[in-house]
Amino acid sequence: EAGVTQFPSHSVIEKGQTVTLRCDPISGHDNLYWYRRVMGKEIKFLLHFVKESKQDESGMPNNRFLAERTGGTYSTLKVQPAELEDSGVYFCASSQEFGSYYGYTFGSGTRLTVV
Amino acid sequence: AQSVAQPEDQVNVAEGNPLTVKCTYSVSGNPYLFWYVQYPNRGLQFLLKYITGDNLVKGSYGFEAEFNKSQTSFHLKKPSALVSDSALYFCAVRARHNQGGKLIFGQGTELSVKP
Repeated sequence: EAGVTQFPSHSVIEKGQTVTLRCDPISGHDNLYWYRRVMGKEIKFLLHFVKESKQDESGMPNNRFLAERTGGTYSTLKVQPAELEDSGVYFCASSQEFGSYYGYTFGSGTRLTVV
Repeated sequence: AQSVAQPEDQVNVAEGNPLTVKCTYSVSGNPYLFWYVQYPNRGLQFLLKYITGDNLVKGSYGFEAEFNKSQTSFHLKKPSALVSDSALYFCAVRARHNQGGKLIFGQGTELSVKP
């Protein structure tokens, strides 16, 4: 089966611009998670979708971040306007079971650099 | 607050020697424990997990980890390191009561295996 796919792999934007990251989960996986790793620190949870609904968005840093999952398939994470501190690697993960304790399949990540 | 600590930013090992990557956690109850590995330009790959049962867990590529409840640790080990094991390793936990499946990660440990 195809894995979790993230686009783009790299993005360099100027402060104040808008960037949209995309994640295509494994087909049939209802659960989709966004995480990010900033400046070599720990990977932090951003939010969790179950199908098209936001199950937990407690990790979203502020209202400049907007995540959507229209139709319960792929998801987008938009940052508008981007700030320097938003630079980092954004990971997407999906799982088949709700609250799966078997772990999750992660994408390769999008490296975002805000200059 | 729930947290995961990987006290070493970098671990250097000679090929053929045993390796240990340390992880301690602070999570209420009995969490699920995971190790993930990230090779350059790749996504996070699942290595192994502890859910319940035997404290010694065996995973992919010859890695194993030992769950120590009294020390709240889950150190990753391998008896004989390979150069190809060089990568970034992340320890992660999921609180057992968290049905949404959110993972809490450590900051990562860069493993370097030299010939």
